[in-house]
Amino acid sequence: QKEVEQDPGPLSVPEGAIVSLNCTYSNSAFQYFMWYRQYSRKGPELLMYTYSSGNKEDGRFTAQVDKSSKYISLFIRDSQPSDSATYLCAIGGGGNKLTFGTGTQLKVEL
Amino acid sequence: DVKVTQSSRYLVKRTGEKVFLECVQDMDHENMFWYRQDPGLGLRLIYFSYDVKMKEKGDIPEGYSVSREKKERFSLILESASTNQTSMYLCASTIRADTEAFFGQGTRLTVV
Repeated sequence: QKEVEQDPGPLSVPEGAIVSLNCTYSNSAFQYFMWYRQYSRKGPELLMYTYSSGNKEDGRFTAQVDKSSKYISLFIRDSQPSDSATYLCAIGGGGNKLTFGTGTQLKVEL
Repeated sequence: DVKVTQSSRYLVKRTGEKVFLECVQDMDHENMFWYRQDPGLGLRLIYFSYDVKMKEKGDIPEGYSVSREKKERFSLILESASTNQTSMYLCASTIRADTEAFFGQGTRLTVV
């Protein structure tokens, strides 16, 4: 079993839709949770960072962590074509180096 | 803003060549990483450095070596490039190895 599992997609949604991206993890020692956005042929950029259970909001983006279920989510409201990218979750903590999901490819259609 | 700069965006090299990929960060981070990224396989850690002249093998170190002579610079070396090393290479730096990483723009290496 991989330490971090992420559905690779691709996920295609119409403009304005709410997008839900998810990862599950197996190591209960993990305590830092990140989401990265990666445009084609570019490096990943940090989008959201949280270290506790609950929600964190930043504009149209909300990161949600449920430590009891070992499940994290990224919600994108009012999705735009510019949100089309690959989204990677990353999880770390407890002395473990960051572990990345394989990424979910998102396309927001006009 | 943290800046991680990789020396090349695109490289084409011949089989058997020795290849150097350079990475520089400007935030005085202790930890630096080299990953390769391939479709369907995600990010795979090649090497990790937690201090000057200190290094640790990642998940796929075979065919690669690294050098960290200065804190801000971490180099990845392909001793004898092969076609199966064609990939996107990403450098990252972090304050701590288990928290947020900051990535360079990536180097797309093609070995022919």
